[in-house]
Amino acid sequence: EIVLTQSPATLSLSPGERATLSCRASQSVGSYLAWYQQRPGQSPKLLIFDASNRATGIPARFSGSGSGTDFTLTISSLEPEDFAVYFCQDRSNWPPVTFGQGTRLEIK
Amino acid sequence: EMQLVASGGGLVQPGRSLRLSCAASGFNLDDYAMHWVRQAPGKGLEWVSGITWNSGRIGYSDSVKGRFTISRDNAKNSLYLQMNSLRAEDTALYYCVKDQSYDSKSYGLDIWGQGTMVTVSS
Repeated sequence: EIVLTQSPATLSLSPGERATLSCRASQSVGSYLAWYQQRPGQSPKLLIFDASNRATGIPARFSGSGSGTDFTLTISSLEPEDFAVYFCQDRSNWPPVTFGQGTRLEIK
Repeated sequence: EMQLVASGGGLVQPGRSLRLSCAASGFNLDDYAMHWVRQAPGKGLEWVSGITWNSGRIGYSDSVKGRFTISRDNAKNSLYLQMNSLRAEDTALYYCVKDQSYDSKSYGLDIWGQGTMVTVSS
């Protein structure tokens, strides 16, 4: 079973700064990785699928990269609404579907 | 607008059963695989179960295998989760989730319901 490890656990930045979040897989998942955003009190939202494809309606400041075991979610210039928890997910054949433990992006 | 509305949660004693339902609107359920994902208070996301578009493939997490049963009624545009032998560790917000794919090779989970809370306690 694939284990996804996200880092850092918490990232403290200011609006306008660039955010870089990492997700590392215990074995190769190819390009089959997705990213989600969860704002406080809300359901998760799909941001990126297949490592680098933005989901419908997701702003261009969100970008994903990587393949194999190392993946990155980048937010080019943080907006106030971007401060949230971010999860990565292995989308290869289930069962199971695996999520990372999350990175909390907080305002510095 | 594509929407999922989950219901059926509540407070239940350990060892008892509960059935969750999820009503889909704005899209045809039978075009997509569906999942249940849960989130314990203050914790991360945990996949519980998934079912392909035609119920041809069904999967469960190890933590619920043998106790939970997922099913779907495409004619009613509805998804279900029968939860038996509930434990305190099953306490969580349960999300009904749509996959972008129809089969077991997920393309990402693009529509999430609001969740229904299940609390297992005596």
